[in-house]
Amino acid sequence: GQQVMQIPQYQHVQEGEDFTTYCNSSTTLSNIQWYKQRPGGHPVFLIQLVKSGEVKKQKRLTFQFGEAKKNSSLHITATQTTDVGTYFCAGHNFNKFYFGSGTKLNVKP
Amino acid sequence: KAGVTQTPRYLIKTRGQQVTLSCSPISGHRSVSWYQQTPGQGLQFLFEYFSETQRNKGNFPGRFSGRQFSNSRSEMNVSTLELGDSALYLCASSLALRTDTQYFGPGTRLTVL
Repeated sequence: GQQVMQIPQYQHVQEGEDFTTYCNSSTTLSNIQWYKQRPGGHPVFLIQLVKSGEVKKQKRLTFQFGEAKKNSSLHITATQTTDVGTYFCAGHNFNKFYFGSGTKLNVKP
Repeated sequence: KAGVTQTPRYLIKTRGQQVTLSCSPISGHRSVSWYQQTPGQGLQFLFEYFSETQRNKGNFPGRFSGRQFSNSRSEMNVSTLELGDSALYLCASSLALRTDTQYFGPGTRLTVL
């Protein structure tokens, strides 16, 4: 069935290094959303991508939606300790919503 | 606008008992979805309600059920609790469909002993 795979599962970086998490779907998605969950918190919406090849930026975060609308990535430039948390992608297709397993980011100061 | 609220925040039950969790969505939001979050399984979709009707259901046993009231508030019930039901249960509300931006509540931490 429909699955959204997310890699890596964990990422440990030194503060100032870049970070990327990838999301891949077995089928074409209508749109993809990204959420961030801080330790002990709940998922918080970051952004939604709808168009093929779309790129959106939020300060140090860059989100991309693949041309085939089957994959997406979130890239953080020059990580900070405030970036710590788990990043989830969520793909939408045919009125169904599939969360990726999340990438847990740890940033060492 | 007040955010999504969930009650209770923490709950301890024993195997075989049942539990009811409550979720109040953001005012004006008509869709409520429930998720189970465990360290090993990530976010697992339970079900979605819209206008008091269940629209989608995940792959959970019949022990997990839910409902939505006319004011959009939602409850989920788990009967005959098992140890594996220990998890954080998150409720998310959205304006119309689950595919819209979802606003999550703080969750209910359920521990089954």
